Amino acid sequence: RKEVEQDPGPFNVPEGATVAFNCTYSNSASQSFFWYRQDCRKEPKLLMSVYSSGNEDGRFTAQLNRASQYISLLIRDSKLSDSATYLCVVRGKNDYKLSFGAGTTVTVRA
Amino acid sequence: NAGVTQTPKFQVLKTGQSMTLQCAQDMNHEYMSWYRQDPGMGLRLIHYSVGAGITDQGEVPNGYNVSRSTTEDFPLRLLSAAPSQTSVYFCASSREYGNTEAFFGQGTRLTVV
Repeated sequence: RKEVEQDPGPFNVPEGATVAFNCTYSNSASQSFFWYRQDCRKEPKLLMSVYSSGNEDGRFTAQLNRASQYISLLIRDSKLSDSATYLCVVRGKNDYKLSFGAGTTVTVRA
Repeated sequence: NAGVTQTPKFQVLKTGQSMTLQCAQDMNHEYMSWYRQDPGMGLRLIHYSVGAGITDQGEVPNGYNVSRSTTEDFPLRLLSAAPSQTSVYFCASSREYGNTEAFFGQGTRLTVV
């Protein structure tokens, strides 16, 4: 079983729509959770960290469910510029190493 | 404001050739790592280093060597290139473990023919 699993999509949504997707992780000892964004043929960049209480950053909302071992990302009022692959990333306690999901592709159309 | 710098950006090798991918960071980060990214798969950890003089294997270390003689530099050596090593390679650095951001280089697209 992969450490981090994501629905690869693609999610094709019109501008202004809301899109949401999840990621599951297998290691219950995982302590830190992140969403990274990767544009085509570019390096991953941090979108947001995910906190236990859930957190928002503008149009982006991340949630963590430790009991079911999944995290989610919701994008409101989608923009064309949100088109990208979103990587779910998990880190264990006192561990430098990151585990990556394969990514969820989102395409926002005009 | 360089961040993490990787060279080269593109490389074509013949089977059996060796080469070194360069990675340098100017943020004084202790932790550096190398990943490879293949279609349909997440980034997989090749080797990592928690500080100068300290390296360790990741998930897919076979066929690769690393060294960390300085805090800034973390080169990745391909010993004898194989077509299975065709991939996109990313170097990353971060300040410490926990809830801290990892910064990535722009990647090296390697093709082994």
